[in-house]
Amino acid sequence: AQSVTQLDSQVPVFEEAPVELRCNYSSSVSVYLFWYVQYPNQGLQLLLKYLSGSTLVKGINGFEAEFNKSQTSFHLRKPSVHISDTAEYFCAVSSYGGSQGNLIFGKGTKLSVKP
Amino acid sequence: NAGVTQTPKFRILKIGQSMTLQCAQDMNHNYMYWYRQDPGMGLKLIYYSVGAGITDKGEVPNGYNVSRSTTEDFPLRLELAAPSQTSVYFCASSYDRDDEQYFGPGTRLTVT
Repeated sequence: AQSVTQLDSQVPVFEEAPVELRCNYSSSVSVYLFWYVQYPNQGLQLLLKYLSGSTLVKGINGFEAEFNKSQTSFHLRKPSVHISDTAEYFCAVSSYGGSQGNLIFGKGTKLSVKP
Repeated sequence: NAGVTQTPKFRILKIGQSMTLQCAQDMNHNYMYWYRQDPGMGLKLIYYSVGAGITDKGEVPNGYNVSRSTTEDFPLRLELAAPSQTSVYFCASSYDRDDEQYFGPGTRLTVT
């Protein structure tokens, strides 16, 4: 069975500071990895995804994530955050070769950017 | 394109009532999903569909039913609503299994 752990439920940070949102996963098979963002009272939208190839993945709004297979991690980073990055961020995993419809989400990390 | 649309946006139900949450997508996606989101719990998959006429259970299907008669529509039916079904419900779609999922704006349901 797969699982996703987001290590921080809330991350406060000042504007223009760097941020890292941590995600670890557990799976017995190879995985695809995703980060989604949810702005207040909205649905989720994809930030970035890792399917294969380069372990450093760049997404929208200046975010990037690095897939580390040995540490089973997929941490999300941004070198300088803006007030508009305030949102909840979800890490998700699915396995290829596994059953369909099994995108597993973490519990989310609320990023709060302060002026 | 409107993307994924959901109706209604808000609804209050009494215990034991039934209702259908509507979901439609205009992207000709094969895969459609229903999730529920509870505070601090992330998203849990209720049901999903890989094409018209084909549906399957997700992680938390009890108390819900779905149908998929067309590619565009994927309604979620709640029978005998219970307080435990108070949640925010999201519909999503994707072209293929490992593609990006596109989410609707959600339906906030309260059962009292």
